[in-house]
Amino acid sequence: QKEVEQDPGPLSVPEGAIVSLNCTYSNSAFQYFMWYRQYSRKGPELLMYTYSSGNKEDGRFTAQVDKSSKYISLFIRDSQPSDSATYLCATNAGGTSYGKLTFGQGTILTVHP
Amino acid sequence: KAGVTQTPRYLIKTRGQQVTLSCSPISGHRSVSWYQQTPGQGLQFLFEYFSETQRNKGNFPGRFSGRQFSNSRSEMNVSTLELGDSALYLCASSLNPLGRGQGQPQHFGDGTRLSIL
Repeated sequence: QKEVEQDPGPLSVPEGAIVSLNCTYSNSAFQYFMWYRQYSRKGPELLMYTYSSGNKEDGRFTAQVDKSSKYISLFIRDSQPSDSATYLCATNAGGTSYGKLTFGQGTILTVHP
Repeated sequence: KAGVTQTPRYLIKTRGQQVTLSCSPISGHRSVSWYQQTPGQGLQFLFEYFSETQRNKGNFPGRFSGRQFSNSRSEMNVSTLELGDSALYLCASSLNPLGRGQGQPQHFGDGTRLSIL
């Protein structure tokens, strides 16, 4: 079983919809949580970074972390065609293991006009 | 501020050859991590370097190796290439290497796409 599970989709939504992306993890040592967006032929681009349980909002994006249930989410409001990409959740432990990210499989999102 | 730079962007090799990939981190970043991305396995951690020392290592065979220079630039080497090594190799750098407190996230380059014929 993978340490981070993410539904690969694909997910197709109309423009303006609210998108919900989710991951679960199994390792209690994980302390930091990230969402990356990856366009075709590009590297992952950091969208959200959270350290504690709760919500963090940045524009149309909200990241949610529930450490008690080991569940992380990304919500995209008013989705746009330019949001079409692969979304990757990632997590790592602190201390000397901080440099090792563990990723979910990625969810392919398409927002159609 | 320049981002993470990886060279070359594309590379074609044949089985049995070796290859060296290069990564220049964001200025001031001292931790460099390498990842392999394939359609089947997704993004997998290869290794991390900090202060010219390998600090973390993933589950890859010894054919995969790396090093870091005093200016934090890093290289990874793959020897005796196999067809299964065809992948996008990504480098990421981080400002805070120990993840204390709020920590600092990793930022990625656009990768080197390696094709093995």
